[in-house]
Amino acid sequence: DSGVTQTPKHLITATGQRVTLRCSPRSGDLSVYWYQQSLDQGLQFLIQYYNGEERAKGNILERFSAQQFPDLHSELNLSSLELGDSALYFCASSVGESRAQETQYFGPGTRLLVL
Amino acid sequence: SQQGEEDPQALSIQEGENATMNCSYKTSINNLQWYRQNSGRGLVHLILIRSNEREKHSGRLRVTLDTSKKSSSLLITASRAADTASYFCATDEGGGSYIPTFGRGTSLIVHP
Repeated sequence: DSGVTQTPKHLITATGQRVTLRCSPRSGDLSVYWYQQSLDQGLQFLIQYYNGEERAKGNILERFSAQQFPDLHSELNLSSLELGDSALYFCASSVGESRAQETQYFGPGTRLLVL
Repeated sequence: SQQGEEDPQALSIQEGENATMNCSYKTSINNLQWYRQNSGRGLVHLILIRSNEREKHSGRLRVTLDTSKKSSSLLITASRAADTASYFCATDEGGGSYIPTFGRGTSLIVHP
């Protein structure tokens, strides 16, 4: 158990809908990272927040957005869902903001299926 | 496109044998990390090796880094059935962006 929690574990929805994925980092970690893992794209970094502020953006679509709240939990919002958005979405956390030096601890993931 | 690419894509061995996985990358890096992922679960960090290091050990794991060849290898000695998982290398893109970039992974199966 990494100490990172994600809810829900599974999510099934229809195209065009909007969903929110939630992540609670390990106690004491200030950085939260979001990743998407799919069969065709592999594991892709989406975005990082550190202490409530956006720190880095990766391959995140404009239909996706995220935020980190004062209690450090984070939410990833996915809107206008398409079939291709079906994937495992992971949250990870680390103590500091240095992506190059930090060990990231991954949550169990949310499996999203868009029908 | 992927920065790190693992090779082989899949590896099947018997318990007790050694498993070697390789990772190649394209641009300069500050560090390279190896992760393990059990089927459908989150990634677990195994080891980080910095660009100025050549070899690192952690238990039954040995990681090497050759920056001149832009490659790294992960050796698991005396493998166990519990080592069955996918193994990923992750690099940070050079140039200061430090975006974590993962390869597609090596799927390791260790037969008891």
